[in-house]
Amino acid sequence: DGGITQSPKYLFRKEGQNVTLSCEQNLNHDAMYWYRQDPGQGLRLIYYSQIVNDFQKGDIAEGYSVSREKKESFPLTVTSAQKNPTAFYLCASSILPRSEAFFGQGTRLTVV
Amino acid sequence: SQELEQSPQSLIVQEGKNLTINCTSSKTLYGLYWYKQKYGEGLIFLMMLQKGGEEKSHEKITAKLDEKKQQSSLHITASQPSHAGIYLCGAAVNNDMRFGAGTRLTVKP
Repeated sequence: DGGITQSPKYLFRKEGQNVTLSCEQNLNHDAMYWYRQDPGQGLRLIYYSQIVNDFQKGDIAEGYSVSREKKESFPLTVTSAQKNPTAFYLCASSILPRSEAFFGQGTRLTVV
Repeated sequence: SQELEQSPQSLIVQEGKNLTINCTSSKTLYGLYWYKQKYGEGLIFLMMLQKGGEEKSHEKITAKLDEKKQQSSLHITASQPSHAGIYLCGAAVNNDMRFGAGTRLTVKP
């Protein structure tokens, strides 16, 4: 079945470590997005990519990095520079920028 | 930048009651999306509205976009426990999507 898959579902990180969250889609979508969700808050855009080998910063890109080497993959690295990384991370994709987005099931990252 | 404000922040209704959630934009909307989220899960697409005055329905959920395309409402008729969750509106901004803070709906049996 077509869809968007995030892994792992839960992730624990020690302070000072970098971690990478995986996002894979087999929908043949050009655009992909990473959002962060904190309790009681909406989604805040971290990075987005409209096409392979191109990506743009969102509202809260500091402390995060991404790559888009393949159309189907858009991994997010949470670096040690991100001061408050504990959150729920959601990846999404859409066939075109600004069209309906499909979401993965999310990754809950906890710093221990 | 485009901002989406949702109201109310949370809503508790008795099963069988109707309810409305609002989404207001600071700028003209060129595409308004409604999503539902269960706690700890991804977002499920409900409906998309593009034209001023447009109205769409799916089962007991109806969404409208006003003529000026700056406000949308989501109406649930005869609510059920399965309607419980967080409802978020999203809008296309430049080449990305932005979301409101969400409305948490609780339906009491």
